[in-house]
Amino acid sequence: EAGVAQSPRYKIIEKRQSVAFWCNPISGHATLYWYQQILGQGPKLLIQFQNNGVVDDSQLPKDRFSAERLKGVDSTLKIQPAKLEDSAVYLCASSLGYGNQPQHFGDGTRLSIL
Amino acid sequence: QKEVEQDPGPLSVPEGAIVSLNCTYSNSAFQYFMWYRQYSRKGPELLMYTYSSGNKEDGRFTAQVDKSSKYISLFIRDSQPSDSATYLCAIPGGGSNYKLTFGKGTLLTVNP
Repeated sequence: EAGVAQSPRYKIIEKRQSVAFWCNPISGHATLYWYQQILGQGPKLLIQFQNNGVVDDSQLPKDRFSAERLKGVDSTLKIQPAKLEDSAVYLCASSLGYGNQPQHFGDGTRLSIL
Repeated sequence: QKEVEQDPGPLSVPEGAIVSLNCTYSNSAFQYFMWYRQYSRKGPELLMYTYSSGNKEDGRFTAQVDKSSKYISLFIRDSQPSDSATYLCAIPGGGSNYKLTFGKGTLLTVNP
């Protein structure tokens, strides 16, 4: 079974620029998550999709972050404009269903803001 | 008080040692408890998943939950250099989406 795929693996941009991350979940997984992991911290949930609908985006900074999951499969997370404090690893995870299901993580995109 | 607090480490042990990793949590309604392992520059992977109080064993790993003290532990017996990683406790919270709240993680190094 192929795992969660994310790209790019690394990205360096200057503050106020925009950036986008892509995620392809495990085939058949209905639920998709985006997490932000700042160095030395645990992952923090930004947004959760169930199929192509948003279940929880309470911790997404909506003035600069946006995410979509078209056709209930792939997802993109965008930051515009980026701030220095957005430097982090952005992890995508997926799970088979809704509720208390094990989450499978990709290896993340490491974002550095100069 | 944060929902999930984890001993920050780092922890450095010799090969073969018994390792104890610990977290505390604040919400007595939590029922499920997870441990993830994260290797450097990799995503977290689910290691152990327990429900309610007691012990759960899987090979060299034992997860322990003490709901009366709101304390969870992960023990690693006969630790190996390949166990060197960051260990994260994670607890699905209340609400219908079982949002995971992670501890900060403990960096473990097992020295050969």
